[in-house]
Amino acid sequence: TQLLEQSPQFLSIQEGENLTVYCNSSSVFSSLQWYRQEPGEGPVLLVTVVTGGEVKKLKRLTFQFGDARKDSSLHITAAQPGDTGLYLCAAPEDTDKLIFGTGTRLQVFP
Amino acid sequence: KAGVTQTPRYLIKTRGQQVTLSCSPISGHRSVSWYQQTPGQGLQFLFEYFSETQRNKGNFPGRFSGRQFSNSRSEMNVSTLELGDSALYLCASSHRGGLGYGYTFGSGTRLTVV
Repeated sequence: TQLLEQSPQFLSIQEGENLTVYCNSSSVFSSLQWYRQEPGEGPVLLVTVVTGGEVKKLKRLTFQFGDARKDSSLHITAAQPGDTGLYLCAAPEDTDKLIFGTGTRLQVFP
Repeated sequence: KAGVTQTPRYLIKTRGQQVTLSCSPISGHRSVSWYQQTPGQGLQFLFEYFSETQRNKGNFPGRFSGRQFSNSRSEMNVSTLELGDSALYLCASSHRGGLGYGYTFGSGTRLTVV
């Protein structure tokens, strides 16, 4: 079974700070997705990256897929309390199976 | 467009009982996947169904089973419940499957086994 390791596991910051979350694996993936999950809800898809080296921006969030397609990062600029949640990376293991990373729990204080 | 609907939202069961959870995917989505989420293990894949066929299964005991109906609605069943089965059970649907297309998740069913 392939593993997706995320770091850091927990992150507690003040509003306005920048942060980066990492997702690493020893396996090569055809694509990688990032989700955010809020308490009591299911994860919500933020982005899918497909090409090695690809960078996608979603407002204050920047996602990058590693050149070798083994890792990815999520950078948040000027974090806001609304960014609080559990961030999960995910990648296909088989044609019909998506595996999820260990998760990064982010808390942004006003 | 209605989202993924899971019922019930909350459930309390006693050890040894069995439970059935339901998931209605987004209209037109034929793939339904089930995940178990716990604080210690994160999101663990249970199984995936497409057009009533189980295409993939995670590393869970046989007490965990599922099925999909012709209208793509899916159910999962857990028999002989154990305390360790307490978790958030999430259902996700997609048009074809998880590879690169992304899932839409339901809000989950919170199962507590006492």
